[in-house]
Amino acid sequence: DIEMTQSPSSLSASVGDTVTINCRASHSIASYLSWFQQKPGKAPKVLIYSASILQSGVPSRFSGSGSWPDFTLTISGLQFEDSATYYCQQTYSPPLTFGGGTKVQIK
Amino acid sequence: QGQLVESGGGVVQPGGSLRLSCAVSEYTFSRYGMHWVRQAPGKGLQWVAVISADGRNTYYTDPLKGRFTISRDNSKDTLFLHVSDLRDEDTAMYYCAKANSAYMYRIDSWGQGTLVIVSS
Repeated sequence: DIEMTQSPSSLSASVGDTVTINCRASHSIASYLSWFQQKPGKAPKVLIYSASILQSGVPSRFSGSGSWPDFTLTISGLQFEDSATYYCQQTYSPPLTFGGGTKVQIK
Repeated sequence: QGQLVESGGGVVQPGGSLRLSCAVSEYTFSRYGMHWVRQAPGKGLQWVAVISADGRNTYYTDPLKGRFTISRDNSKDTLFLHVSDLRDEDTAMYYCAKANSAYMYRIDSWGQGTLVIVSS
C-alpha cells in the first residue's frame, strides 16, 4: 500500500499569514494527489486535484504544488474560515490512502 | 455536483451487520464511479472502497476486505455498503462520495455521512 505522510499534524497561524502543509508519498504516484478541507461536524470538501488544479469554486488563496514524492498545499492570506483539518489523498492506485491530517488553527 | 444522501446507520451489536445506502440525485448516477470513506470519532479519514460506474470493478482497503461489500443499483440511483461481523473499531461516520467522470479514483463531491455505532 502507498503510505501518505502529512506534516505538520497541527499548526497555528494568524489571519493574513501564508501557511504550508506537506504530504509525502511512499511510492510513486506521479501527480495523482488530492487535497481536502474538513470543518468540525461537516463532510470533507475538495480543494485541489491532480496536485495543483483548483476545484471549481475554491478560493484562489489555496494552491497545490509538487510531484512525487513531495506535495504541498499552500494557503496564501489565511482567513478565519480556513480553520479546519486538511487531508491529502493519493488517487493513483487502490487502496486510495489518506494522509493523517493537519489541523489549522487561527491565533 | 449532485446530491448524495446516506442512510442506514445506527446502533448495532458486535458481530451484527448493516446495509448502508447512498441515494443520489441531480446527476446521472450510472455514469460515475462511487466511493465509501469512513471516519472514526476524533480520527482521520479512511478510504474504504470504490466501485466503477457499471458496477463491474470494485476495490477495497485490505483490512476490510471480506467483511465489507460495495455494490450499486443503477436503476435506483443508489449505492450500497454491506458491512458484516461488525466490531467496536467499525464505529465511524460513513461517507459516500462521487468519483470524477473521467477518472474513477478521484473524488469530487461528498455526502453528509451516516453514523454507525457498534456497541453492546
